[in-house]
This record gives sequence, structure tokens and C-alpha cells, in this order.
Amino acid sequence: GIQVEQSPPDLILQEGANSTLRCNFSDSVNNLQWFHQNPWGQLINLFYIPSGTKQNGRLSATTVATERYSLLYISSSQTTDSGVYFCAVETSFNYGQNFVFGPGTRLSVLP
Amino acid sequence: KAGVTQTPRYLIKTRGQQVTLSCSPISGHRSVSWYQQTPGQGLQFLFEYFSETQRNKGNFPGRFSGRQFSNSRSEMNVSTLELGDSALYLCASSLVPTPTNEKLFFGSGTQLSVL
Repeated sequence: GIQVEQSPPDLILQEGANSTLRCNFSDSVNNLQWFHQNPWGQLINLFYIPSGTKQNGRLSATTVATERYSLLYISSSQTTDSGVYFCAVETSFNYGQNFVFGPGTRLSVLP
Repeated sequence: KAGVTQTPRYLIKTRGQQVTLSCSPISGHRSVSWYQQTPGQGLQFLFEYFSETQRNKGNFPGRFSGRQFSNSRSEMNVSTLELGDSALYLCASSLVPTPTNEKLFFGSGTQLSVL
């Protein structure tokens, strides 16, 4: 089945710093989403981005489908950005696996 | 519009027991999928339901089962609990089933501890 990797696994930042999180996937996808899991376990949908670039406030994401990677940019980070960021992919050729999640990037933003 | 609602929030069970978890999707969403999250295995797909039919099932033993009702609410059941079933169980809803170009929306999860 499709493989999803995320880097870095852990990231520690000072408040106000910028960061880039990466997601690599091993096959073509028809759906890619980024999620933020807060300290209470809730997964918040940040972006649906199978290709192209989107921006939402301090967050933006870019997916280069032909090269099989996606990037999540966080600018001017705040302590509330702390948590784990997951990318999840779905492929039409992966019947039975639904969405496949990467292992996540754990972000800690220090005040 | 209310989000995805999962109950209960926490559960403590002992080995051998069975457990039922509940998920109410966002109003109008007809697809419900379940995921298990553990520190060692990460987020793993359990199953997906649409129109009361199971469409996909992940690689889990038959002790894990689920169903969906006509109002799109879903339940999952784990029988003969094992210590390794301790996990956060997350439910997600979407407008249509996979493969899809729709967003997934998750509930807050049920934290199951098996003693």
C-alpha cells in the first residue's frame, strides 16, 4: 500500500518563529489533507490540498503531486500551534485502506 | 452546525469485556469512518460506513465490528478486549464515502483503557 512519511518528527520553536513541515508519499493520490491534533486529542482539519497552494491566515500549504510531496508552512508561530501535525492521503487504488496517515510531526512552541 | 460527537469520552474496561462506542456525524454527512490511534502504530483505519453498509475495512481482527443506523449515527464494538486495544478511537465524518474530494472532520475521540 501507499507509504506516507513526515519530517521532521519533532520540532521545537520559539514563539514568533516560522516552520516548514514536510509530507512525502509513495504513490499518486486523489486526496491529501493536513490535520492538527491538539493536546486534548481532537484532530482539526487544516487543509484539503491534493495539489496546488492554499493559505489560511498564518498557515499555508503546497502540494506538488507530480513529485509526491506536500509542505505545511506555519508563520509567526504561537503557543497554541503546539501539538501534532498529520498529513493523510487517499488513493483510488488503495481499496480497503481509506485514508493513510503519516506518523506526524510533534511541534512545541515555547513562549 | 454541530461537529462530530463521540461518546463516551473515556472508558475503562478489563480484559475479556466488550465495549461499544458511539459516533454522531455532522448533520447531512452520510459517511462515517473509524480510526484507532496508539503511540506505537499511529493512526490506523478501522472501517467506513455509508448508507448503513460497510464499504471498507482495515486490517483488524473480527473482534472489531461496527454498524451504521438510518440516521447515519454509527457504533463500533470491540469484543473480548485485550490490553493492546487500549487506544484513542476516533470517528470521522464526510459528505460522501471514499474515494472522495471531500474533507474529513473528526470527533474528539473515545479514550479506551483496558486493564
